[in-house]
Amino acid sequence: NAGVMQNPRHLVRRRGQEARLRCSPMKGHSHVYWYRQLPEEGLKFMVYLQKENIIDESGMPKERFSAEFPKEGPSILRIQQVVRGDSAAYFCASSTGTQETQYFGPGTRLLVL
Amino acid sequence: DAKTTQPPSMDCAEGRAANLPCNHSTISGNEYVYWYRQIHSQGPQYIIHGLKNNETNEMASLIITEDRKSSTLILPHATLRDTAVYYCIVRVYNNNDMRFGAGTRLTVKP
Repeated sequence: NAGVMQNPRHLVRRRGQEARLRCSPMKGHSHVYWYRQLPEEGLKFMVYLQKENIIDESGMPKERFSAEFPKEGPSILRIQQVVRGDSAAYFCASSTGTQETQYFGPGTRLLVL
Repeated sequence: DAKTTQPPSMDCAEGRAANLPCNHSTISGNEYVYWYRQIHSQGPQYIIHGLKNNETNEMASLIITEDRKSSTLILPHATLRDTAVYYCIVRVYNNNDMRFGAGTRLTVKP
């Protein structure tokens, strides 16, 4: 009974490069959420997706960040032209529906040099 | 969503019950109380949630006051592995956004 999978677990990028974070939801879950946790802070909601649709991106920065959840394959959080302030832990959660409990993955720790 | 207030830190002796309080005095009638914990920067782990009635599962018990303005998470027999940051979250049932505050850092001591 695999939980939410995220990869890579650790990612190092230089300023200006692109970062791609992947999230595979739990089996049977079609709703995916992305959160960001800056050092010593709580998690902050970024975006909520269902298969092939972005439902709520109210927490996403307006520039450089994008997310997708294709019909086949994992959800992808993409950060273009990374800056040092993007260094954080990025967590993905999944659920069976909007009204259901969210279960979190282990996170991807992004370090921008 | 209603705001929650939790003590920043608590200690508990191993084997004893850990009682973690949460104040949510502005909670609305359609808002649930959720508890998650985060062990040493791992992904948040779901513990329990409830609306009005007390709830119990294999991990913990949740006691919600009758006026719903506060709740207590109870870990009946704390172990060293329960050392974590515990988050109390008030959430409208169909809201996408789980609002994580600062939480309570619980340290279980031998």
